[in-house]
Amino acid sequence: AQSVAQPEDQVNVAEGNPLTVKCTYSVSGNPYLFWYVQYPNRGLQFLLKYITGDNLVKGSYGFEAEFNKSQTSFHLKKPSALVSDSALYFCAVSGGLSGYSTLTFGKGTMLLVSP
Amino acid sequence: GAGVSQSPRYKVAKRGQDVALRCDPISGHVSLFWYQQALGQGPEFLTYFQNEAQLDKSGLPSDRFFAERPEGSVSTLKIQRTQQEDSAVYLCASSLKGSYNSPLHFGNGTRLTVT
Repeated sequence: AQSVAQPEDQVNVAEGNPLTVKCTYSVSGNPYLFWYVQYPNRGLQFLLKYITGDNLVKGSYGFEAEFNKSQTSFHLKKPSALVSDSALYFCAVSGGLSGYSTLTFGKGTMLLVSP
Repeated sequence: GAGVSQSPRYKVAKRGQDVALRCDPISGHVSLFWYQQALGQGPEFLTYFQNEAQLDKSGLPSDRFFAERPEGSVSTLKIQRTQQEDSAVYLCASSLKGSYNSPLHFGNGTRLTVT
């Protein structure tokens, strides 16, 4: 079965500093990888995806993520954090035996950016 | 409307009652998904429709859970004889196409509390 691990429950970073939110995955075959963000009392919003091609993908709000097949990772990054980036971030994967119609989410990582 | 709409926003049910949760997807979106999000966890897949066809219901936790999308637009998730373990946020998402090259658009969810 496919799975996603987000090893950090919370990441704290000062505004203006770079941020990284970690994600590793397990799936047989080629993965489709996604990051979603959830603001308080709001639905999940799509940030970016990796399907194929360039390992570095760029998404909304200045976020990017790098697909690393050998390390089975898809870490989310941003060069300079904003206080408004504070939210709950979810990594997700599809593929393998569950097929590409089913997304498996990680538990989420709370990002807190301090002024 | 501009986004995925779910109703009611909150639902409190006594154990043993039946509940019905509604999802209005973005107009023209082919695919519709239901997810269950327990407190402190990531969303877990319940079921998937492409137009009116329910293509995958492998995530429904028991035969008390039933979903339909009879005209390929609005969907209803029904839970019969609710139990306390059914307490969660139920998320609906839609996408324009029938593949995961198309990102999911989530509603704000229905928070179900079973007392």
